[in-house]
Amino acid sequence: DAGVTQSPTHLIKTRGQQVTLRCSPKSGHDTVSWYQQALGQGPQFIFQYYEEEERQRGNFPDRFSGHQFPNYSSELNVNALLLGDSALYLCASSQRLGRSPYEQYFGPGTRLTVT
Amino acid sequence: QKEVEQNSGPLSVPEGAIASLNCTYSDRGSQSFFWYRQYSGKSPELIMSIYSNGDKEDGRFTAQLNKASQYVSLLIRDSQPSDSATYLCAVRPNVWEYGNKLVFGAGTILRVKS
Repeated sequence: DAGVTQSPTHLIKTRGQQVTLRCSPKSGHDTVSWYQQALGQGPQFIFQYYEEEERQRGNFPDRFSGHQFPNYSSELNVNALLLGDSALYLCASSQRLGRSPYEQYFGPGTRLTVT
Repeated sequence: QKEVEQNSGPLSVPEGAIASLNCTYSDRGSQSFFWYRQYSGKSPELIMSIYSNGDKEDGRFTAQLNKASQYVSLLIRDSQPSDSATYLCAVRPNVWEYGNKLVFGAGTILRVKS
């Protein structure tokens, strides 16, 4: 049973650039949520996708955008990178109409460094 | 007031002891509560979920929920050095809102000394 996968594992970008992170949910899951985790902090919710639409959004600027594809995989795009965007970006998947719809399972994360 | 609060620790316990981790939350409408374990440099791993008042046991782990006091705890019995990690409390706030975003505390660092 394949778990949540994310790519790339690590990424170094320059301030002002754009980045795209990718996520494939756990087999059987249809909902993808993205979180940002700064060092020493808990994950902060960015947004959630279900049925290819953004369903819920946290307090993140419009520079953060996403997409969900028909196969449930998802992308997180960040434009005009700032130094403060350096963090671990986590993708979590869940099954909206499953037995435990609120349980979210995390991928290994993408470590983004902005210089 | 933060939505989900945890003592940052570190909480140090000897091997074999019971580790008690606590979490309080501010949204009275919250219905779903989770504990995640995060090893250094790794992603969070779901270890317990609890939805009803009372205790829920799974192996060496017991989650306790008291909605009246807005309090969730995690007990780890027979603590092992491999339990040393950061434990994150997560809450799904506002059951009436579409979506199931989780709000996390900053985590408690647990150190189990052999």
